[in-house]
Amino acid sequence: DADVTQTPRNRITKTGKRIMLECSQTKGHDRMYWYRQDPGLGLRLIYYSFDVKDINKGEISDGYSVSRQAQAKFSLSLESAIPNQTALYFCATSRPGLQETQYFGPGTRLLVL
Amino acid sequence: GQQVMQIPQYQHVQEGEDFTTYCNSSTTLSNIQWYKQRPGGHPVFLIQLVKSGEVKKQKRLTFQFGEAKKNSSLHITATQTTDVGTYFCAGPPGNSGGSNYKLTFGKGTLLTVNP
Repeated sequence: DADVTQTPRNRITKTGKRIMLECSQTKGHDRMYWYRQDPGLGLRLIYYSFDVKDINKGEISDGYSVSRQAQAKFSLSLESAIPNQTALYFCATSRPGLQETQYFGPGTRLLVL
Repeated sequence: GQQVMQIPQYQHVQEGEDFTTYCNSSTTLSNIQWYKQRPGGHPVFLIQLVKSGEVKKQKRLTFQFGEAKKNSSLHITATQTTDVGTYFCAGPPGNSGGSNYKLTFGKGTLLTVNP
């Protein structure tokens, strides 16, 4: 079974709709992240969380909100989706240490019409 | 803010040719990580370099970290079709105390290999 899972894997929605992307992990990591990937732009950090009570904005948080329901779950919400939020979204986890590697989920492909 | 630039954006090679991608940061990095993303897949960690001038090898892949800790390179010798994908470098700022929680990713180099 995958250590980091994301649901849904694909989603089509309309402008103005509220949607939620979910991430779950079985790695036992405290730190979780949400990134978006656009062609030619690499990975950009939206939000990150060190634990359930510690949530921080990343580089491009406008238009997004998050919820850390438990150590293992981190959700990303688009309150009112717009077409330029069409992208590939990745959740990632890490454990602090000398070699703090980030482990990525399979991604959610979102299309906003 | 910190910027991490990668060149080239794309590279197409014949199988067996070598490949190099370069990564440059606008600020000093406490360390640098490299990730590979296969087409349709997700980024997967390859390696981390920490020391100035460090060189690490993984089979046909050679990773270098610059003396000033602002640049890095990934070289693949004798590419194979399994090397196809996008290679990203990523690093936290130099004042992060070594923690990698806030990585800035380069835009990546897409490598395609003609068999």
